[in-house]
Order: sequence, then structure tokens, then C-alpha cells
Amino acid sequence: NAGVTQTPKFRVLKTGQSMTLLCAQDMNHEYMYWYRQDPGMGLRLIHYSVGEGTTAKGEVPDGYNVSRLKKQNFLLGLESAAPSQTSVYFCASSYSWFEAFFGQGTRLTVV
Amino acid sequence: AQTVTQSQPEMSVQEAETVTLSCTYDTSENNYYLFWYKQPPSRQMILVIRQEAYKQQNATENRFSVNFQKAAKSFSLKISDSQLGDTAMYFCAFTNTGNQFYFGTGTSLTVIP
Repeated sequence: NAGVTQTPKFRVLKTGQSMTLLCAQDMNHEYMYWYRQDPGMGLRLIHYSVGEGTTAKGEVPDGYNVSRLKKQNFLLGLESAAPSQTSVYFCASSYSWFEAFFGQGTRLTVV
Repeated sequence: AQTVTQSQPEMSVQEAETVTLSCTYDTSENNYYLFWYKQPPSRQMILVIRQEAYKQQNATENRFSVNFQKAAKSFSLKISDSQLGDTAMYFCAFTNTGNQFYFGTGTSLTVIP
């Protein structure tokens, strides 16, 4: 069982570059989420989706965009990367409020 | 707004001893779920235990149990017979709709041999 898969696992970007993080889940979950994890700050929600074709802003959405064209995929885009976006990014999915299942994380460094 | 507070950034416990991690939360909702997630050095987030707010009985999973005090909005995690593999970051989390899961800042637990 693959669960939630994130691509890539590691990435280094130069300031101003763009990139897309891909999240795929095979559990037919309606809800999907993107979090960032920074030391001492826990996990903060960037954007989330409650179903195919829908997206909504979370706590820290600035500088990020998302798309959910297919139910199983949730993409996170950085249009112009900044050093402040250096973080570990987690994708998660859930069936309602029962449990959130997480991917293995992506460590992004912006230099 | 929903908030989750973990006031213990770091804790340590001797192997085979018992440790309790604290968590408080703030919500005006009556129905919600609370969780404890474990994040070992591998970075993978693993669900440890879940508590439904409408259930009076505290949840238990093997060596892990919670003390859920709804009126006090407190949700602590007790780890009994601590093992070296319990060394990890532990996050308390809350959701009332499933649209968003709110996380605390985490407690780094070290089990000392």
C-alpha cells in the first residue's frame, strides 16, 4: 500500500526559481493538505482541499499556490522561491476527521 | 480560532519508566477529535492514538494512553514502560471538521538507556 507519496524528497532551489511539489494518494480520500514544518513552530497549514477541483487557504498561504485537478493528486507550487520558504513540507490526506495520513516529507532549501 | 499548545519543548525519560506529555487546546466546538502523532528521526508522521471528544472513556493503545479532560481542554499522553524506539518528536493535534488539522509545536522526547 503506497498511501501518500510525495515527490521529490529533497530539493535545493535558488532564490527566484519556481518548482512544484507533487502529492499523490491512493486511498480515495476527499481531503488533502499541505503543511510546512519549521523548528519550534510545529506543522502549519499552507493550503487544503476538500475535494477534486477545490482549494482553500490555510494559516500560511502567501507565496504558494495549489491545484487539485484530480482527486488523487494535490500539487503545491512556489512561483518565486524565497529563503523564508526553506522548510520541510508535508502532504497529508484524510477521510473526514478520522485520521490524517502523511507523506514522507520534502526537505526544501532555498539559497 | 482553534489553537493547540504544547508547553514542554523537550523531555527525557529513563528506559522502562513512565512519562507524560502535556497538551491543551482551545475551541468553542463541542464535537471534535484529538490526536497524538509521533515523528521519529525518519521524519514520517505516525498516528499514536486518537480520542473522540464525545467519548468519556480515555483512549488506550498498548503502552500509550491519554488523560482527556474535556472541561479543562486538556489532552495528555502517557507512555508506560518507555522504550528506546519511543525517542521522537510528539505532536498533539485537533480537528473538528476534517477540513483542517491543527498541530501543537511538538515535544521532543528522548529515552535514556
